Amino acid sequence: DTGVSQDPRHKITKRGQNVTFRCDPISEHNRLYWYRQTLGQGPEFLTYFQNEAQLEKSRLLSDRFSAERPKGSFSTLEIQRTEQGDSAMYLCASSSDRNEQFFGPGTRLTVL
Amino acid sequence: AQSVAQPEDQVNVAEGNPLTVKCTYSVSGNPYLFWYVQYPNRGLQFLLKYITGDNLVKGSYGFEAEFNKSQTSFHLKKPSALVSDSALYFCAVRDAGGSNYKLTFGKGTLLTVNP
Repeated sequence: DTGVSQDPRHKITKRGQNVTFRCDPISEHNRLYWYRQTLGQGPEFLTYFQNEAQLEKSRLLSDRFSAERPKGSFSTLEIQRTEQGDSAMYLCASSSDRNEQFFGPGTRLTVL
Repeated sequence: AQSVAQPEDQVNVAEGNPLTVKCTYSVSGNPYLFWYVQYPNRGLQFLLKYITGDNLVKGSYGFEAEFNKSQTSFHLKKPSALVSDSALYFCAVRDAGGSNYKLTFGKGTLLTVNP
């Protein structure tokens, strides 16, 4: 499968714990995006990488959130001190210069 | 700022009938417009895009969309609906002139095709 992959698919954690998600983009894509989707809403932009450079962060991304893309390949999204309001589907997407973004299956986070 | 409105939370059509899912947008410059579909417990699947050129764009699974600049709309259409088209549909926009590639999505429209 040469699509975008995300790991894990599901994560249940207790409030206050740290979690980390991984995204592997389509190999030739230089742009990588993270979005968050809650029930009944469309995806909301969190952050964007071009190669290894993080070029934009949404104000939704509080200082408890950090994302990295070392070497411009896979990316990780870490949430520290999770809160119940962090419960959502976290989507990763990648693109080349053709504009359309291709999405992974998402990581569903549940914070108890 | 950019935004998308999908005025219908749900659309119900009978199999074999034409379907339309509505989308209007707002951007400061020229728009790049996209439609995605989401099946239960799955990620978003790209259907089609408008970048430039013909106002009528064709995409996957027989879907098409018409870009109307004066009405700032990009409605999704299909001449003959299938039960398997039942899913959640999202319209998205980004500013063509911006350096930010982020997409802004609508809230989604749940399409149900009845047999």
